[in-house]
Amino acid sequence: DAGVIQSPRHEVTEMGQEVTLRCKPISGHNSLFWYRQTMMRGLELLIYFNNNVPIDDSGMPEDRFSAKMPNASFSTLKIQPSEPRDSAVYFCASSPRQVLYNEQFFGPGTRLTVL
Amino acid sequence: QKEVEQNSGPLSVPEGAIASLNCTYSDRGSQSFFWYRQYSGKSPELIMSIYSNGDKEDGRFTAQLNKASQYVSLLIRDSQPSDSATYLCAVKKVQGAQKLVFGQGTRLTINP
Repeated sequence: DAGVIQSPRHEVTEMGQEVTLRCKPISGHNSLFWYRQTMMRGLELLIYFNNNVPIDDSGMPEDRFSAKMPNASFSTLKIQPSEPRDSAVYFCASSPRQVLYNEQFFGPGTRLTVL
Repeated sequence: QKEVEQNSGPLSVPEGAIASLNCTYSDRGSQSFFWYRQYSGKSPELIMSIYSNGDKEDGRFTAQLNKASQYVSLLIRDSQPSDSATYLCAVKKVQGAQKLVFGQGTRLTINP
């Protein structure tokens, strides 16, 4: 069975451009998480969805960030406009809610560089 | 005070020895605790979970939890060079919720 799929794997863009990161969770998983990882701040949760509904977006840094989950097999994280401080690795993870103790499976990540 | 704290390391251990990784958390009501391993340039992968006080063993790995001291640790016996990675401690604060809070991670190096 395929794991969490993310695209693109690498993205280099210029400041001010729109960036869209994509994620396909593991089939059958009900929960989806977007994380950002930097050396300075570590791994931070940005937002998570249960059954396609956003539950907690308190980690979204500012209005430039938005996330959607239009169906159970697809989610996007959009940054508009992008800034150099957004440079990081962005991970998507999914989890089957019926698992009592919430193991999260991570995708390979998207390495974003904003020049 | 950070919600989940780990010594960033690097922690250097000779091959075959026991590696001991530590984590403290601030919320006394935290319910579930996880250790993730992250190789350089890769994504985190779950290696251990623990939910009640005491020890939990899985192969060469042992997780230890002390809720009174708000402390969780990971022991790796017979350390191998392939164990060299960053180990992330994660805590789920509220039962029924799914949000995990991660520590900064401890970088472990096993020296042959």
